[in-house]
Amino acid sequence: AQKVTQAQTEISVVEKEDVTLDCVYETRDTTYYLFWYKQPPSGELVFLIRRNSFDEQNEISGRYSWNFQKSTSSFNFTITASQVVDSAVYFCALKAAGNRDDKIIFGKGTRLHILP
Amino acid sequence: EAGVAQSPRYKIIEKRQSVAFWCNPISGHATLYWYQQILGQGPKLLIQFQNNGVVDDSQLPKDRFSAERLKGVDSTLKIQPAKLEDSAVYLCASRSTSGGTDTQYFGPGTRLTVL
Repeated sequence: AQKVTQAQTEISVVEKEDVTLDCVYETRDTTYYLFWYKQPPSGELVFLIRRNSFDEQNEISGRYSWNFQKSTSSFNFTITASQVVDSAVYFCALKAAGNRDDKIIFGKGTRLHILP
Repeated sequence: EAGVAQSPRYKIIEKRQSVAFWCNPISGHATLYWYQQILGQGPKLLIQFQNNGVVDDSQLPKDRFSAERLKGVDSTLKIQPAKLEDSAVYLCASRSTSGGTDTQYFGPGTRLTVL
């Protein structure tokens, strides 16, 4: 069975601090995709990144970076020099690749508060 | 490019009443999804359409929920009759089936409160 665990329910940091959101997943599939989405107070889920299971290269996009480690089944997300606008709920998600039934399994989310 | 559109944004009804939500996906996206997101949880897939056909509705409570996508573009999700536990945000998402992308793009959601 597929499962995504985000152990941190809620995190608060002061603006300009770095913060890492943890994500651990379980799957029996050999090929899969991992995602991070941001959900601001407006409610819309904003796509941040998709990572293929065969590509373990870490990725950096501005202040965002992602650390994918297949050996520990983790896909952690770090925000550097956090800003108040980063306050949101962040979801990690998993999908098996190559299936017509492409159900995405979401974690329960981590609510991030960036304090001014 | 316009995103996924949903309406209404908010809806308050009493239990046993009926309600309908509307979704317009990103132009050209053949795959459309409806998710239910209960407060404090991640979204849960209710139904997936490929064009106007249902691909997966295994988690849709079919005794009270129904959805359609008659012309393969817009979709409606209906609840009849509503229960208290249906209070949630209902999210619509769409995905292109060209180019090998597996990324779903979400709309702003409809927040339903059942009293």
